Amino acid sequence: QLQLQQSGPGLVKPSQTLSLTCAISGDSVSSASAAWNWIRQSPSRGLEWLGRTYYDSKWNTDYAVTVKSRITINADTSKNQFSLHLNSVSPEDSGVYYCARTTKSQIDFWGQGTLVTVSS
Amino acid sequence: DIQMTQSPSSLSASVGDRVTITCRASQSISTYLHWYQQKSGRAPKLLIYAASSLQSGVPSRFSGGGSGTDFTLTISSLQPEDFASYYCLQTYSFPLTFGPGTRVDFK
Repeated sequence: QLQLQQSGPGLVKPSQTLSLTCAISGDSVSSASAAWNWIRQSPSRGLEWLGRTYYDSKWNTDYAVTVKSRITINADTSKNQFSLHLNSVSPEDSGVYYCARTTKSQIDFWGQGTLVTVSS
Repeated sequence: DIQMTQSPSSLSASVGDRVTITCRASQSISTYLHWYQQKSGRAPKLLIYAASSLQSGVPSRFSGGGSGTDFTLTISSLQPEDFASYYCLQTYSFPLTFGPGTRVDFK
């Protein structure tokens, strides 16, 4: 049974870096048939896909243009997890952040969500 | 980017009602359209993938249809546990984009 366990701080100061980790059990971050996503949700933006990483002979990433200059998603195969780093955050980056798996074409499983508030 | 719209934005219904939610894409997305249910404080849950395929474990009262730009999610007989928000998602092209959601509550 797949489990995605999110961890990371719930409060980040403006201009600093938001970092979250998603630990995977029941699948492999290096799986050839999966991609690993970060998605956030806020009242103002709704559900917003931020980016993904996946392994296809090498590690690949795709990012939303809206955050492309500030985001990094990377995988740690030794810990079977992947992480989100979003720098230069502002209050507009507040929301619930989810990690999620894509298999075939659909996002089929989500982590529990982490409420992140950007405030001094 | 592909824009997704949903209608209605909210609806009130009773247990046993047949409910249909519509999702429209700003360009053709074939059947790369998926439906999610989200309850308050919880992560979204996949109901329907590839427009019309029922995810394992999801009750058969949920069904999906459509292709191209217009899609529907139907609940044939609304149950108490179905009062929630519903979102569509397109995975035809990046960035992946979600609809704004439809909230289903008690009449």
